[in-house]
Amino acid sequence: EPEVTQTPSHQVTQMGQEVILRCVPISNHLYFYWYRQILGQKVEFLVSFYNNEISEKSEIFDDQFSVERPDGSNFTLKIRSTKLEDSAMYFCASSGDYSYEQYFGPGTRLTVT
Amino acid sequence: QKEVEQNSGPLSVPEGAIASLNCTYSDRGSQSFFWYRQYSGKSPELIMFIYSNGDKEDGRFTAQLNKASQYVSLLIRDSQPSDSATYLCAVEGGANNLFFGTGTRLTVIP
Repeated sequence: EPEVTQTPSHQVTQMGQEVILRCVPISNHLYFYWYRQILGQKVEFLVSFYNNEISEKSEIFDDQFSVERPDGSNFTLKIRSTKLEDSAMYFCASSGDYSYEQYFGPGTRLTVT
Repeated sequence: QKEVEQNSGPLSVPEGAIASLNCTYSDRGSQSFFWYRQYSGKSPELIMFIYSNGDKEDGRFTAQLNKASQYVSLLIRDSQPSDSATYLCAVEGGANNLFFGTGTRLTVIP
């Protein structure tokens, strides 16, 4: 069964460093998303991406964040200068055309020290 | 900001019983509703979605939607210990984004 994959599973970085989280969405899906979940809190929407551009972003997704689809399979989230409060699980999700059903990857645990 | 409210639990039911999980949402214009299961330390797993008023059944799971009351629920019949997890209610926000509740932690007691 096709699934969303994410790498790395765990990333430790120092405050102020740049990180890139990688995702491979389900191959025939057209919509891609990033969510985050701070430990013990709810899943929060960051950004949605369709047709090579951002279609929606939340207040969390400020200038420190960017997304890119560098090739036909990968979808990345970059955090330019990490802060302690960026520590969270980051989930990538994808959905097909005309479908709101989003399928999540296993997540990347980001720890900022 | 669209709000999705769930009772955080924990909800404990004996094995074989029916577990009932509830969710309310603030945006009357919301059209699509989802239930995800999240095991500790894992990612959300989609188990049910519902778009129309009424009931939708899939195996042991039934989703119920009442748009007039802005209420969506999930029933799990013949609960199993493997159903023990946090159940997340999610509401589509109108731009392909999902708003999640805080989740209800379910424990099924053998």
